[in-house]
This record gives sequence, C-alpha cells and structure tokens, in this order.
Amino acid sequence: QQQVKQSPQSLIVQKGGISIINCAYENTAFDYFPWYQQFPGKGPALLIAIRPDVSEKKEGRFTISFNKSAKQFSLHIMDSQPGDSATYFCAAFTSYGKLTFGQGTILTVHP
Amino acid sequence: NAGVTQTPKFQVLKTGQSMTLQCAQDMNHNSMYWYRQDPGMGLRLIYYSASEGTTDKGEVPNGYNVSRLNKREFSLRLESAAPSQTSVYFCASSRGQGNDYGYTFGSGTRLTVV
Repeated sequence: QQQVKQSPQSLIVQKGGISIINCAYENTAFDYFPWYQQFPGKGPALLIAIRPDVSEKKEGRFTISFNKSAKQFSLHIMDSQPGDSATYFCAAFTSYGKLTFGQGTILTVHP
Repeated sequence: NAGVTQTPKFQVLKTGQSMTLQCAQDMNHNSMYWYRQDPGMGLRLIYYSASEGTTDKGEVPNGYNVSRLNKREFSLRLESAAPSQTSVYFCASSRGQGNDYGYTFGSGTRLTVV
C-alpha cells in the first residue's frame, strides 16, 4: 500500500514554463514533507522541505504548497530550465520513524 | 568528498546466486538504510539500522538480510537471488532518526538477476 501517492508519473515542460507535481497522503502522523531530486546515475538529494504548520515554502524557483486539511502538497518549479530535468520524489516523515517516498515524477524540460 | 559509498555500482547475478552489497559512510552518522528503487514504485525501505548494533525490517524485507558491521558500514545480502530482486539499490545514512535529520544517499547499485 503506497502511503504517499504522487502524480503525474512523467511531465514534459517547455523552458521557462511552470512544472507542477502533486502528492497526497493518508497517514496523519506524517509531520515533515521533503522533496528529493534525482539525476540519472545518482542517488536522491534533498531539494526542499516543509512542515505541516506552514502553507507555503519558497526557495529560489522551487515552491512547496501544503494543504493540511486536504492532505495534499505540491512542488512548483517556476521558470523551468533544461537543467531541472530529473526525477522528483515527494516524501513524508514521522517524528519517530523513517522516510516514505512517492512513486516519482520524471520531469523533462525542453529547450 | 564525504558521503555514502556503495559497491559495486553494477552487478549481474544468476537466479539462486548470492551476493552482498556494501555501504560505508564517513559522516559519523548513527542511522543507515537500504532502499530499492523500481519504476513507478518510488523508493521502498528494505531494512534500516537506527544505531550501531541494531537492525529492523522495513517495508519489503523478504529475501534480504543485513549486517551493521560497525558505525560506518551497513551491508545488504541476497542469499538466493530472484529475478524479482532486479532493481537499483540505494544506501542512505542520517545523523539520527526523525525528521530533523536529513538523509544522504549513495549513488546506487544496479542489480540484474537473470
């Protein structure tokens, strides 16, 4: 049973466009929501993270929006660049435990 | 650079063969993890070690065993490989358990079982 559901599986965006990836969760014990970025042949690396008491967090071109009542959160990449082409994973954490990942989204940004 | 080192990077096994995936970290982290990555499934936790001397099952432990050899090293063993274990395996470490501690991942081992 996938505790964190991610969509879409793949996404193609033109350079300069906005990339949006969505995630939903069921477990209300989750209390920390990171996003990981993975380039081919590499391990995932932390990109940005949010706690559920905050509705939005922005770091450069990357923004997380969080809707606690709907149990949903999303990653927005503004002014998408070809160098952003990678696989993106949302994830969720409980304070006592371990990281649970979504299924991943393969993002391709065309020049 | 400091980080998590995994060996080997690639491996092909025949069904029934055994092998051990090695992982070492040099960040003095207490907790270590093994994940497998499959298309459309994300990363799923196989086993983890909260601290030296302890290991626990994750989401998909069947067919695997682990050993926390010391604080630096955490190995994953496949006793009798099956085609369903074809995957990319990632080792990760963190300073402690819980969400205040970020995970650092290795570059992965791509395993094919034929």
